[in-house]
Amino acid sequence: ILNVEQSPQSLHVQEGDSTNFTCSFPSSNFYALHWYRWETAKSPEALFVMTLNGDEKKKGRISATLNTKEGYSYLYIKGSQPEDSATYLCAFYTDKLIFGTGTRLQVFP
Amino acid sequence: GAGVSQSPRYKVAKRGQDVALRCDPISGHVSLFWYQQALGQGPEFLTYFQNEAQLDKSGLPSDRFFAERPEGSVSTLKIQRTQQEDSAVYLCASSLVGGAGTYEQYFGPGTRLTVT
Repeated sequence: ILNVEQSPQSLHVQEGDSTNFTCSFPSSNFYALHWYRWETAKSPEALFVMTLNGDEKKKGRISATLNTKEGYSYLYIKGSQPEDSATYLCAFYTDKLIFGTGTRLQVFP
Repeated sequence: GAGVSQSPRYKVAKRGQDVALRCDPISGHVSLFWYQQALGQGPEFLTYFQNEAQLDKSGLPSDRFFAERPEGSVSTLKIQRTQQEDSAVYLCASSLVGGAGTYEQYFGPGTRLTVT
């Protein structure tokens, strides 16, 4: 059974703090890794799709790195804002997306 | 532009009832996926369509679950004789091309099903 693990489960930070979370996935038969942001009462929204070892992607204050050899990806948020409060999901793609349980981020003003 | 829509947003069913959940994907998207998210878990894959063909239904938990996409656009997930363990959020997603390994998926807001 393929397992995708995310840590921490939840995180509370002050506005302006930078933060990061981890996604661990099987290092064999890698094809792609997806990151999604899911705000309460909204639809999950794609952040990044990463395919290459060493890949680094950025969208505004959010960036992600990928290490396929050791099976992990980091998501970084620089200068967290209250609107960043959401659950961040990663998903490992084989022939389907296998999701982790997410990291729930709350940013307090 | 219009995103993925799902209806109903909330459904309460008595145990043993049949339910039908609808998904309207983004127009022109080839791939359509259904996921089930139980409380405290990540979304779990149920089934995948490429146009009207159901290419993977390995995630459907039992033969009470049935999905269709007859014209390659709108899809319906049907659950017969609902049980309490079917209570979950059901998410639909679409993607522009087949496979969707390297392409992002666009998700609907989900249908929250509660079986009493």
